[in-house]
Amino acid sequence: AAGVIQSPRHLIKEKRETATLKCYPIPRHDTVYWYQQGPGQDPQFLISFYEKMQSDKGSIPDRFSAQQFSDYHSELNMSSLELGDSALYFCASSLGGGNSPLHFGNGTRLTVT
Amino acid sequence: GDSVTQMEGPVTLSEEAFLTINCTYTATGYPSLFWYVQYPGEGLQLLLKATKADDKGSNKGFEATYRKETTSFHLEKGSVQVSDSAVYFCALSDRTSGNTPLVFGKGTRLSVIA
Repeated sequence: AAGVIQSPRHLIKEKRETATLKCYPIPRHDTVYWYQQGPGQDPQFLISFYEKMQSDKGSIPDRFSAQQFSDYHSELNMSSLELGDSALYFCASSLGGGNSPLHFGNGTRLTVT
Repeated sequence: GDSVTQMEGPVTLSEEAFLTINCTYTATGYPSLFWYVQYPGEGLQLLLKATKADDKGSNKGFEATYRKETTSFHLEKGSVQVSDSAVYFCALSDRTSGNTPLVFGKGTRLSVIA
């Protein structure tokens, strides 16, 4: 079965640069979520979209923005990168909101030097 | 707000040993409960879920029962294998109370040795 696809798998950027992470949800899933997982930490919710509209906002810094496009894929844009932004960034998708299970991609590992 | 507390790791077991990873939660509404597993270098995979009190989720020999009276969702497996070595996250979703999607516990690293 098709899963959530994230690209790139690895990304290395320098401080103050920008980065764009992409997420392609499972076909027919209408909700996309972004999570940030620091080393040895639990995933922290950043932001989510339902039917291309922002549905929830978590601990996403103002330097980050995200959107969901007409084909339901989503992009997380990160500007003025800081060393502390180094983490695994996961995208997840679900069908509908509520308490539907989230299906996660394999993540993008971002390293800021 | 909603929260999940799970036992700290790492947990090291011999193959075929019995596994229990404790998980308790705090929620204001009627949450659904989940266990996710993360293998090295991979994303989180849904292991099992339970959506209401007394439901039992099960998958791949793992089980967990939604206990509302003790606000718990402990993960168990009767006989672990080396391939079960991973980090296990307990999580809840309490959207009925308008809370953020999927709150995770801190994760428990399991190492199974042959």
